[in-house]
Amino acid sequence: KQEVTQIPAALSVPEGENLVLNCSFTDSAIYNLQWFRQDPGKGLTSLLLIQSSQREQTSGRLNASLDKSSGRSTLYIAASQPGDSATYLCAVKDTDKLIFGTGTRLQVFP
Amino acid sequence: DVKVTQSSRYLVKRTGEKVFLECVQDMDHENMFWYRQDPGLGLRLIYFSYDVKMKEKGDIPEGYSVSREKKERFSLILESASTNQTSMYLCASSSRLTPYEQYFGPGTRLTVT
Repeated sequence: KQEVTQIPAALSVPEGENLVLNCSFTDSAIYNLQWFRQDPGKGLTSLLLIQSSQREQTSGRLNASLDKSSGRSTLYIAASQPGDSATYLCAVKDTDKLIFGTGTRLQVFP
Repeated sequence: DVKVTQSSRYLVKRTGEKVFLECVQDMDHENMFWYRQDPGLGLRLIYFSYDVKMKEKGDIPEGYSVSREKKERFSLILESASTNQTSMYLCASSSRLTPYEQYFGPGTRLTVT
């Protein structure tokens, strides 16, 4: 059974830092991996999607990488800003379902 | 822009009540999903639907049922609410062509007392 883990569970950094969020999954037979952002009390917003054949995707200050063989993905946030404060979730597509990690709660302080 | 709306942002119900959570999407998506989100457990899939009048059990369907009478609307029903169903409920939809690209509603925080 696919399991998705995110470390750390929470992270607090000063504005301007570059940071890395980690996601690991137990079964490498995935179709794709997505990173989502969730603001407090809100739904999820998709940030980046990496197909299983891809190694990375970039959008603005965000870069997500995928290493299927080791069962890992990282989300790199460059020059963090207070507006980046949110919970970040990764999810892998396993046949017809998305399997979510428990998220990393990020706080960027001025 | 895809819009997924949920009928209530906050809901307080009593144990034993029948509870309806409504979700509507405006992008003619075939697929719709209901998740619950709990601290430390992440999002867990309750039910999903590939088409009108079709439903499939997710990972935690016990205590829930669903209804999909129209393509745009997917309802989650708690037949007899219990305190362990206190949670954040999230609805999502996706197109059959891009099923992995799910769009989420804002969520309903349900408290059962």
